[in-house]
Amino acid sequence: AQTVTQSQPEMSVQEAETVTLSCTYDTSESDYYLFWYKQPPSRQMILVIRQEAYKQQNATENRFSVNFQKAAKSFSLKISDSQLGDAAMYFCAYRSAFTSNTGKLIFGQGTTLQVKP
Amino acid sequence: GAVVSQHPSWVICKSGTSVKIECRSLDFQATTMFWYRQFPKQSLMLMATSNEGSKATYEQGVEKDKFLINHASLTLSTLTVTSAHPEDSSFYICSARTGNRKAEQFFGPGTRLTVL
Repeated sequence: AQTVTQSQPEMSVQEAETVTLSCTYDTSESDYYLFWYKQPPSRQMILVIRQEAYKQQNATENRFSVNFQKAAKSFSLKISDSQLGDAAMYFCAYRSAFTSNTGKLIFGQGTTLQVKP
Repeated sequence: GAVVSQHPSWVICKSGTSVKIECRSLDFQATTMFWYRQFPKQSLMLMATSNEGSKATYEQGVEKDKFLINHASLTLSTLTVTSAHPEDSSFYICSARTGNRKAEQFFGPGTRLTVL
């Protein structure tokens, strides 16, 4: 079975600085997707970034980028130029790419990010 | 992005009553819908997966007679908490996706259930 681990329950960053959230996963599959979701105080889940396992290039979305290390099964999220609105709980998630799979997500425990003004 | 709605956003009920929560995909056909439960400051726990027209698949440890899930159409899934008790109080989130292999899940805004 696949597992996702986020070892940092809480992180803090100064506004305008850069922070990296860690995520490791375990799987025996070769084709899968990885995601970072943001859950602000409103509790609406927001997709931040996604990575396809067969793509070597790290995904980037504006100030958000990932460091995907497939061999090490590591998928960290870097937030550059942190803003107050980035304060939220961040979840790393895994999804199998096999069509027999229903597409369910496996979530990590979450990391609460505090942004200090 | 696609929109998923949930209704109600907040419900309070008495112990022993049943509560129904609706999840709708507003601008796409949801082949698959998911129901999650989330406790404060914790991760999302998948309760069940439902495909339109089929019985839901429940995760281990989730009481299927307690949490009834119906996915009657490609745009609507319902979760009914039967004979609710205070320990059922939680935040319930649904998500939906199409059948496309690369399709992502779109999440509803969640429903806060409080059982007195």
